[in-house]
Amino acid sequence: NAGVTQTPKFQVLKTGQSMTLQCAQDMNHNSMYWYRQDPGMGLRLIYYSASEGTTDKGEVPNGYNVSRLNKREFSLRLESAAPSQTSVYFCASRGRQEYGYTFGSGTRLTVV
Amino acid sequence: GEDVEQSLFLSVREGDSSVINCTYTDSSSTYLYWYKQEPGAGLQLLTYIFSNMDMKQDQRLTVLLNKKDKHLSLRIADTQTGDSAIYFCAESIPGGGNKLTFGTGTQLKVEL
Repeated sequence: NAGVTQTPKFQVLKTGQSMTLQCAQDMNHNSMYWYRQDPGMGLRLIYYSASEGTTDKGEVPNGYNVSRLNKREFSLRLESAAPSQTSVYFCASRGRQEYGYTFGSGTRLTVV
Repeated sequence: GEDVEQSLFLSVREGDSSVINCTYTDSSSTYLYWYKQEPGAGLQLLTYIFSNMDMKQDQRLTVLLNKKDKHLSLRIADTQTGDSAIYFCAESIPGGGNKLTFGTGTQLKVEL
């Protein structure tokens, strides 16, 4: 089915470990985004890619890096995980303005 | 500023109408959106309204936009238990990577 696919769905990391969250969309959207969701804080933008070949920092980029591998794929990397990065991470893409974002189903990350 | 505010909780009885409110601060917003998030899932677009409209109706959903007061509301008629979820409003501001800014979300609880 068309949409945004995120992997993995769940992950537990030890402090200091690294990992990459994968995101792919098959809707030919230009723009892709990574958000984190924490209780009572809504969604906060980590990084985004307005088009293939460009990436920009969002509201909370510290501790993260991203790669826009091609038009379909946008990955988020945690180089040295910290407990403060325990969160639910959502990838989204955007095509036509009126349709807003299409979201993936999320990755629940716990850092111990 | 780009703060979008919502009340955190709303409780209604099944069959009543629910009204979820949102205040945004950027008068240049082009589109405003309502998303629904069920437990353990990603955000799903419910409806949107273009900034030159005052009202939009879609089956049980009615969106009202007051641009003067920067106030957006979502009315759900005949609320059902399946409507229990977190509802997010979001605004789209021209330029800057086509981003959306989200409110903190309103938890709607529907009681029998």
